[in-house]
Amino acid sequence: EAGVTQFPSHSVIEKGQTVTLRCDPISGHDNLYWYRRVMGKEIKFLLHFVKESKQDESGMPNNRFLAERTGGTYSTLKVQPAELEDSGVYFCASSHGAVDTQYFGPGTRLTVL
Amino acid sequence: GENVEQHPSTLSVQEGDSAVIKCTYSDSASNYFPWYKQELGKRPQLIIDIRSNVGEKKDQRIAVTLNKTAKHFSLHITETQPEDSAVYFCAASPADYKLSFGAGTTVTVRA
Repeated sequence: EAGVTQFPSHSVIEKGQTVTLRCDPISGHDNLYWYRRVMGKEIKFLLHFVKESKQDESGMPNNRFLAERTGGTYSTLKVQPAELEDSGVYFCASSHGAVDTQYFGPGTRLTVL
Repeated sequence: GENVEQHPSTLSVQEGDSAVIKCTYSDSASNYFPWYKQELGKRPQLIIDIRSNVGEKKDQRIAVTLNKTAKHFSLHITETQPEDSAVYFCAASPADYKLSFGAGTTVTVRA
């Protein structure tokens, strides 16, 4: 079974630019999650999709972050405009049911200069 | 919301010795406690989990214990090996989907 994939693996952008991260969950997994780890701190929950619907976006830092999951397959997380404090590793995870194991992707390391 | 504290932040052990990582949580409604291992350059992977109706769970050299009254849970690794070197994250969830993580413990196993 192919795991969760994320693209790109690394992104370096200037402050004020836009970046879009992509996550492809494990096939058949309805639940998709975004998390972020900033500078050696804890991994923090951003939001949760069930199919194409946002179930919980309570962890999204502000309105510069926009997540979508059109068609209920892959998801994108756009940061516009990026700020220095947005730097970190963005993880995507997926699970079959909400109570099932969450499988993580390798993460996208975002650096905002 | 849930707040998870994890200690220690770094742990160095001699190969063959045991390693223990401790976590505390704040939300008494939390009922699911997974542990993830992240090797250098790789993705976090679930190594063991426990639900609140169980006090202890073992899987070969790893075990997790849960004390609901004190709101803490621990990971125990016995007979450590070099491949156990990694960052370990504990997490807690009151709703099964929203994981709140600790800050991670970097474990180094010395040969």
